Amino acid sequence: GQNIDQPTEMTATEGAIVQINCTYQTSGFNGLFWYQQHAGEAPTFLSYNVLDGLEEKGRFSSFLSRSKGYSYLLLKELQMKDSASYLCAVIDSNYQLIWGAGTKLIIKP
Amino acid sequence: GAVVSQHPSWVICKSGTSVKIECRSLDFQATTMFWYRQFPKQSLMLMATSNEGSKATYEQGVEKDKFLINHASLTLSTLTVTSAHPEDSSFYICSATGTGILAFSYEQYFGPGTRLTVT
Repeated sequence: GQNIDQPTEMTATEGAIVQINCTYQTSGFNGLFWYQQHAGEAPTFLSYNVLDGLEEKGRFSSFLSRSKGYSYLLLKELQMKDSASYLCAVIDSNYQLIWGAGTKLIIKP
Repeated sequence: GAVVSQHPSWVICKSGTSVKIECRSLDFQATTMFWYRQFPKQSLMLMATSNEGSKATYEQGVEKDKFLINHASLTLSTLTVTSAHPEDSSFYICSATGTGILAFSYEQYFGPGTRLTVT
């Protein structure tokens, strides 16, 4: 079966750094997305990785290791507005998007 | 670019009635649209995938006769919840992929969602 694992919930302090991990076992791989979803709103795109390595975009970075079936989203200089759920999703060999259950990130002052 | 709209944003209906939700791609041709449902504090659950001009493909456990999906054009898909019941109350989100977008081919662009409450 296809499976994507991410922690259910994480807590971090404003101004700090947090890393949200995602591991996947899917039938094939055509890329991995990270989305941010605030409560009551639709997901918004954060990043896409298809090759190994780190992609940096402002305060957010995403890393991928295809051999390990592993990705992480790194958030720096955390702000209160970063409190949200972060969804990891993988495109499998059939080009279907497989969603993780999401990680709820709580930012404390 | 790559904007997806949904209408209505929220709707309250009585049990037994039907509700139609529209999903539109405003500045690109959506060859594929997806319908998701999300219950409070839960992740997205894919209900069905629809390609323009063809029948939707429903995920296991989703009743196709209850959730009617029509993708008649490259910019519009509709989801009709027929004979709605309180347990159908949820946040319904559509997304789209397509051509003419200056982004990844597989990225899904999400609509803002429709909150349905069935009383």
